[in-house]
Amino acid sequence: NAGVTQTPKFQVLKTGQSMTLQCAQDMNHNSMYWYRQDPGMGLRLIYYSASEGTTDKGEVPNGYNVSRLNKREFSLRLESAAPSQTSVYFCASSESKGGSYEQYFGPGTRLTVT
Amino acid sequence: QKEVEQNSGPLSVPEGAIASLNCTYSDRGSQSFFWYRQYSGKSPELIMFIYSNGDKEDGRFTAQLNKASQYVSLLIRDSQPSDSATYLCAGFSGGYQKVTFGTGTKLQVIP
Repeated sequence: NAGVTQTPKFQVLKTGQSMTLQCAQDMNHNSMYWYRQDPGMGLRLIYYSASEGTTDKGEVPNGYNVSRLNKREFSLRLESAAPSQTSVYFCASSESKGGSYEQYFGPGTRLTVT
Repeated sequence: QKEVEQNSGPLSVPEGAIASLNCTYSDRGSQSFFWYRQYSGKSPELIMFIYSNGDKEDGRFTAQLNKASQYVSLLIRDSQPSDSATYLCAGFSGGYQKVTFGTGTKLQVIP
C-alpha cells in the first residue's frame, strides 16, 4: 500500500518547455488535488477533482491543465513553463471515512524553471 | 484575503509545555477543518480532522472548533522537540470536496 505516489521527484525545465506531473493513489479515494507550495505562501490549490470525470479550478489554475485519467490517477500539465512556476508541487487524495475525512499527500515534486 | 488565516510565527514553547496554534476562517462554506504537521522539506502529515463544534482529542493533540467565532485551534500537550515543525490548518468544503490551506504556523519547542 504505497498511498499517494508522484513522479518525478525533481525536474528542471527551461522557459517554454512543457511537462506532465504524474500522481497516483491506491487508497480508492474519490477526490484528488494538486497544490503548489512556495515560501511564505503556504499550500495553494491549483486544481482538484471531486470524483472521477470531474475537475475544478482552485486558487491558482492559470498556466496549468489537469486530467483525471481514472479513479487512481490525476495528472498536472504545464504547457509552457515559466519561472513563476518554480515551486514544490504536491498531489493529495481524500475520502470520507467513518463519518470523518482523511486527506493524504504524496512526497512532492520539486520543479525549477530557468 | 485568504479564506483561512494563520499567524506565521515562529511560536516558541519550552519542552513539556502546551503549544496553542490558532486559525481563523472567513468562508462559512468551510465548516470542517484539517490540521497537518509539515517538517522542512517533507510533505504534510495529517494530524486530525474536526467538523463539530467543541473539542476533539487524539493522544497529545486536541483540536477545538468554534463556528460562531470562526476559529479553529490545535493544542499540543507535553510538547517535544520533535514537534518542532510547521502546522497547517485547512478548511474543507464537504459539498465541493475543496480543501484550502492557511499559510502555516512554525512551532519551535525549546529543550
